[in-house]
Amino acid sequence: DAGVTQSPTHLIKTRGQHVTLRCSPISGHKSVSWYQQVLGQGPQFIFQYYEKEERGRGNFPDRFSARQFPNYSSELNVNALLLGDSALYLCASSLTGGERQPQHFGDGTRLSIL
Amino acid sequence: AQSVAQPEDQVNVAEGNPLTVKCTYSVSGNPYLFWYVQYPNRGLQFLLKYITGDNLVKGSYGFEAEFNKSQTSFHLKKPSALVSDSALYFCAVRPYNQGGKLIFGQGTELSVKP
Repeated sequence: DAGVTQSPTHLIKTRGQHVTLRCSPISGHKSVSWYQQVLGQGPQFIFQYYEKEERGRGNFPDRFSARQFPNYSSELNVNALLLGDSALYLCASSLTGGERQPQHFGDGTRLSIL
Repeated sequence: AQSVAQPEDQVNVAEGNPLTVKCTYSVSGNPYLFWYVQYPNRGLQFLLKYITGDNLVKGSYGFEAEFNKSQTSFHLKKPSALVSDSALYFCAVRPYNQGGKLIFGQGTELSVKP
């Protein structure tokens, strides 16, 4: 069975541009979460979605937005990119997003801002 | 403030020796606790979780973790380390009644030498 898949694997952008990252959850999983992992740090929570509704939002500016589609895949959008947005962006899925369920992570999208 | 601390940036162990990776947490209410492992250029892999019940939790690849409520700790252990266990380990807490959000520690680099 396929795990969580993310695309693209690597991306290079310049300051001020926007970017869209994509995530397909494990088959049967209805909840998707997004995390930002800066080099040398633990992942930071950005968003959680369940059944196309936002369930939670981390402490990130409004330049960050996301959505979930009827097939449970998800997109993360970042506008007006800054140098500090350079990071590994991780997507995780779980069955319903419940508190007791572990989240299963994809291999991430490495975003570099020049 | 809710947080997770991993006091050691790096742990060095000889192959065959027992290993411990430390984690303490600060969260209101009963926490749900998780350990993940990250290999280079990969996402996070789920190892084990504590939800309720026995304080000693067994997980994947021979790892286990001990929950200690009075010390607010959740240390990861393995009786006999393998070179292939060398990786970055993250402890995470999910605060009660906050949906799927995970709060991660900063990570501990485990190095197992032959």
